[in-house]
Amino acid sequence: RKEVEQDPGPFNVPEGATVAFNCTYSNSASQSFFWYRQDCRKEPKLLMSVYSSGNEDGRFTAQLNRASQYISLLIRDSKLSDSATYLCVVSGGTSYGKLTFGQGTILTVHP
Amino acid sequence: NAGVMQNPRHLVRRRGQEARLRCSPMKGHSHVYWYRQLPEEGLKFMVYLQKENIIDESGMPKERFSAEFPKEGPSILRIQQVVRGDSAAYFCASSDRPNSPLHFGNGTRLTVT
Repeated sequence: RKEVEQDPGPFNVPEGATVAFNCTYSNSASQSFFWYRQDCRKEPKLLMSVYSSGNEDGRFTAQLNRASQYISLLIRDSKLSDSATYLCVVSGGTSYGKLTFGQGTILTVHP
Repeated sequence: NAGVMQNPRHLVRRRGQEARLRCSPMKGHSHVYWYRQLPEEGLKFMVYLQKENIIDESGMPKERFSAEFPKEGPSILRIQQVVRGDSAAYFCASSDRPNSPLHFGNGTRLTVT
């Protein structure tokens, strides 16, 4: 089983839609969780950290379920500029400090 | 405050040559990570270093690849006797402490001809 697994998509949604991405991780001792976005052939950029209580940043909401070892990202009112690859990232566990990336979920928002 | 600086941005090597990729972390960051991304694939962890020490090199191929982060100067990822399969984007990232968000450089795109 992969350390971090994501549905690769692609997700094709119209502007204004709500879309949700899921991510599961295998190591119950993992400590920190993040969502990154990566635009084509560019470096990944931090979108948001994920906290146990769940957190929101504008149109983006992240949730963590430690019991199910599951992370989610919800994007409301999608914009064309949201088109990118979204990467789930998990840190810690058996290897302290190491951050492991999922393979990414591709999102395309169309007019 | 400059971000993570990687150079060169593009590197072309012939099979059998050596490739040296450099990374200067953000100011105040002592934790450096190297990732490799093949075309159409995800980011694969290679190595995690903290000043002068290799903390985790579980993603590094056993042969031809090495990394260092000296007390002074940038972190270096060195690939000896490159092969076509080494062609990829190599990203460096840094953080100020373990398990905290990473800040990435622009990457070095290595092409082996």
